[in-house]
Amino acid sequence: EVQVVESGGGLVQPGGSLRLSCSASGFAFSTYPMDWFRQAPGKELEYVSAISSNGGSTYYADSVKGRFTISRDNSKNTLYLQMISLRAEDTAVYYCVRSKSWDYWGQGTLVTVSS
Amino acid sequence: DVVMTQSPLSLPVTLGQPASISCRSSQSLVHSDGNTYLNWFQQRPGQSPRRLIYKISNRDSGVPDRFSGSGSATDFTLKISRVEAEDVGVYYCMQGTHWPYTFGQGTRLEIK
Repeated sequence: EVQVVESGGGLVQPGGSLRLSCSASGFAFSTYPMDWFRQAPGKELEYVSAISSNGGSTYYADSVKGRFTISRDNSKNTLYLQMISLRAEDTAVYYCVRSKSWDYWGQGTLVTVSS
Repeated sequence: DVVMTQSPLSLPVTLGQPASISCRSSQSLVHSDGNTYLNWFQQRPGQSPRRLIYKISNRDSGVPDRFSGSGSATDFTLKISRVEAEDVGVYYCMQGTHWPYTFGQGTRLEIK
């Protein structure tokens, strides 16, 4: 069974940092590009970042470019999102999803940026 | 960025009646590989998004056949032939053809 489990969210002050993790199972993780999405409370879904299957290529939405870094460890079937210089507008539930299929979504992890 | 415009944004429907959601893109969603990466997601209250339809009209496993997708290039539609109580939630179209991938604003379906 395909599963993705996001973790690492929490409450952080503006300007702070967090690292999100996404543990994948039930599929050949190393062969899939992966995406991070987010959804602010009561808002629509937003694309955040993407990474190729081998980690060699990465993409970022303009809203997070220079502050977020996506990476992966294929030996651990894990995707990461390092977030620095966090802002109130980064408050959202963050989801990791298999790219180009977007078929399996975890429960997400909530990031709250507030003083 | 490709702008995805959904209508209506609010959709009150009587149980057993049909429902239809429109999604228009600001440019063609036909990829250079020949596919059109237009997906529909359902998000029930308090839940994560669930993909219903991929590549315009392909229904996901476990999705009732009362859901159907159609369209081409820039104009797409999600139809529910007979709305049931479990269909309440927000429906999003999403394009996965052009980076950055973008979503519509969402259509909130409620029972009248």
